[in-house]
Amino acid sequence: EPEVTQTPSHQVTQMGQEVILRCVPISNHLYFYWYRQILGQKVEFLVSFYNNEISEKSEIFDDQFSVERPDGSNFTLKIRSTKLEDSAMYFCASSDRLNNSPLHFGNGTRLTVT
Amino acid sequence: GIQVEQSPPDLILQEGANSTLRCNFSDSVNNLQWFHQNPWGQLINLFYIPSGTKQNGRLSATTVATERYSLLYISSSQTTDSGVYFCAGSARQLTFGSGTQLTVLP
Repeated sequence: EPEVTQTPSHQVTQMGQEVILRCVPISNHLYFYWYRQILGQKVEFLVSFYNNEISEKSEIFDDQFSVERPDGSNFTLKIRSTKLEDSAMYFCASSDRLNNSPLHFGNGTRLTVT
Repeated sequence: GIQVEQSPPDLILQEGANSTLRCNFSDSVNNLQWFHQNPWGQLINLFYIPSGTKQNGRLSATTVATERYSLLYISSSQTTDSGVYFCAGSARQLTFGSGTQLTVLP
């Protein structure tokens, strides 16, 4: 079964540094998402992306965050200047339709900001 | 956005017992999924079930869309079933509940 793959699985960075989290969605999927889970809390929506632009974003997704689909296979989340509170598990997901279709999640990238 | 309530928040079972987890939604959803988060933090998709009933081995799920709730049944629980179970639903973006922390004791 096709999978969403995320790299790296773990990332440690210092406060103020930029990080890029990478995702390869399922190849025929058109809708892409990033979610975040702070340790011990629920999974929160960050942003959705379709047709090379953001279709929806949450209040969490402020100016320090950006997403990009640099080529036909990768989908990236950039955090410009990391803060301690950005430490979390970041999940990428993709789906083939906007509605009535499951989201397929990657295994996540655990980001630790020190 | 929609609100997703899960119950119970915590559940401790003896191995072999059955359990029912519940998820209530504040509004109609066109997508409903159940996930198991394993100890490594991975979200394992259990069911895509916007309506009806599905079964997969010892797990089954039922969604009553008109009443805006879904149930996850775990039968003959095993220690490997331990972890956090999330339901999530969407009208627009997928919204997760707070999860049920399940502990199955040997």
